[in-house]
Amino acid sequence: DTGVSQNPRHKITKRGQNVTFRCDPISEHNRLYWYRQTLGQGPEFLTYFQNEAQLEKSRLLSDRFSAERPKGSFSTLEIQRTEQGDSAMYLCASSLSGRASETQYFGPGTRLLVL
Amino acid sequence: GENVEQHPSTLSVQEGDSAVIKCTYSDSASNYFPWYKQELGKRPQLIIDIRSNVGEKKDQRIAVTLNKTAKHFSLHITETQPEDSAVYFCAAPGGTYKYIFGTGTRLKVLA
Repeated sequence: DTGVSQNPRHKITKRGQNVTFRCDPISEHNRLYWYRQTLGQGPEFLTYFQNEAQLEKSRLLSDRFSAERPKGSFSTLEIQRTEQGDSAMYLCASSLSGRASETQYFGPGTRLLVL
Repeated sequence: GENVEQHPSTLSVQEGDSAVIKCTYSDSASNYFPWYKQELGKRPQLIIDIRSNVGEKKDQRIAVTLNKTAKHFSLHITETQPEDSAVYFCAAPGGTYKYIFGTGTRLKVLA
């Protein structure tokens, strides 16, 4: 499968626990995005990487959220001290620099449920 | 700040009829407008996109039109089929790097 992959696909955790999600973009894509999607809403931008550099973070991303892309390939999104309001689908997308760079390809998402 | 509004939120059409979904954006510098289809429990899939240097783009039963002056763009689906039933999202650039998505339109095609 050469598309964007995410792991795990589902995560159930108790409030206060830390969780980490992984995203593997399409191999030649240097741009990587994290979004959060709640039921009935469109994806909300969280953060953006170009190669290993995190170039933009949304105000939605509190200090409990951190994302990394250490080698410019896969990325991780960590949520510390989870809260029930963090329950959502976390989507990763990637794109390639260049004229068609705006086309973002999404992964299947990680559905998080915080009890 | 940048904003994307999408209407309607739900749309029911009879099979074979046309469906139109409209989005408006606020950033006049926006130059790329994708449309995504999301089926229940699945990832958003790009179905068509348009750049600001053209006013219309077609791909079989799907078309997108762009009015830069009015800052709106629309998705047109002709000869709708039951498999077109899904949630459709528009998006527009919301700054240098990020995209802002609309709130989605749930399309139901009635057989």
